[in-house]
Amino acid sequence: AAGVIQSPRHLIKEKRETATLKCYPIPRHDTVYWYQQGPGQDPQFLISFYEKMQSDKGSIPDRFSAQQFSDYHSELNMSSLELGDSALYFCASSLGRYKSYEQYFGPGTRLTVT
Amino acid sequence: GEDVEQSLFLSVREGDSSVINCTYTDSSSTYLYWYKQEPGAGLQLLTYIFSNMDMKQDQRLTVLLNKKDKHLSLRIADTQTGDSAIYFCAETASGTYKYIFGTGTRLKVLA
Repeated sequence: AAGVIQSPRHLIKEKRETATLKCYPIPRHDTVYWYQQGPGQDPQFLISFYEKMQSDKGSIPDRFSAQQFSDYHSELNMSSLELGDSALYFCASSLGRYKSYEQYFGPGTRLTVT
Repeated sequence: GEDVEQSLFLSVREGDSSVINCTYTDSSSTYLYWYKQEPGAGLQLLTYIFSNMDMKQDQRLTVLLNKKDKHLSLRIADTQTGDSAIYFCAETASGTYKYIFGTGTRLKVLA
């Protein structure tokens, strides 16, 4: 069965650079969620989208922005990267807002900021 | 407020049962989940329970929910070395669809 795809799987950037992470949800899933997991930490919710509109917002820094496109894939744009942005970034998808209890997670993108 | 707590470590012998505990504060949570994360890997959904249930069993996994005490537990029967991982409980935050994760419990299974 198709799963959530994230790219790239690994990314190394320098401080003050920008990064773009991509998420391709499971086919027919229209809701996407982004989470950030710092080293040794639990995943923290960043932002979610339903039908291309932002549906919920968590602890996402102002330097980050995200959007969902017409094919339901999502991109997380990160600017002015800081060392503290080094983390594993997960994307999850679900079928409709009302089945959000079934969120399927991607393998994550490991971002390292040097 | 939203707060999900777990003990940090648990060590058991192979073949024994493991019980991982979780407490949460949001009494309006509708679903509670258990995820497994192996080193360097993603989050694998193990099971979830609806808040109006007390217990759910799925093969070696048993989830118990005490809604009054806001306490969730995951019992793994016949624990194997392959069960060694970090286990996160999570809840859906009240009025939203985002997950709030617990701090994670690192389970180590000794052969």
